[in-house]
Amino acid sequence: AQKVTQAQTEISVVEKEDVTLDCVYETRDTTYYLFWYKQPPSGELVFLIRRNSFDEQNEISGRYSWNFQKSTSSFNFTITASQVVDSAVYFCAFAGGTSYGKLTFGQGTILTVHP
Amino acid sequence: GAGVSQSPSNKVTEKGKDVELRCDPISGHTALYWYRQSLGQGLEFLIYFQGNSAPDKSGLPSDRFSAERTGGSVSTLTIQRTQQEDSAVYLCASSLEASSPDTQYFGPGTRLTVL
Repeated sequence: AQKVTQAQTEISVVEKEDVTLDCVYETRDTTYYLFWYKQPPSGELVFLIRRNSFDEQNEISGRYSWNFQKSTSSFNFTITASQVVDSAVYFCAFAGGTSYGKLTFGQGTILTVHP
Repeated sequence: GAGVSQSPSNKVTEKGKDVELRCDPISGHTALYWYRQSLGQGLEFLIYFQGNSAPDKSGLPSDRFSAERTGGSVSTLTIQRTQQEDSAVYLCASSLEASSPDTQYFGPGTRLTVL
């Protein structure tokens, strides 16, 4: 069975600091997909990124970047120059094997950015 | 365009009553998913529908839970004889299809409170 671990339960930073959210996954599947979602205080899950297991290229989107390393089964998320609006719960998720329809989520990391 | 919509946004019910939660997916999306988010269990997959195929019900926690999708669009999640442990936010998501997997886009959720 797949498992996603987000070891950081809560992170608190001051605005403009860089912050990295860790995500480690366990699977025996050779083909799989990894996701990050953001859940702001309003509650709606917002999609951030999807990455498949064959593409280990890092991705940057504005202040967001993702580092996927199959060798360590990690898919970490970095926010550069954090802002108060980045305060949210961030979830890493996995889909793979014959169960592409089911997302397995990590427990989430609560990020608080103080002004 | 319009995103995934869910109704009601909040539902308070008494233990033992039945409840119905509704989800309206993004137009054109063939796959529809239900998840549950609770403090103790995090985000859990419940069920998904892909086109006309039989739904994957493997995440439903008991036979008190059921879901249907009419006309390949709107879905209703029914919980019979509600228990206090059913209190949670029920999230619906949709995607173009489930097989790739395509990115799942989430609705705002229904917060269910069982007294």
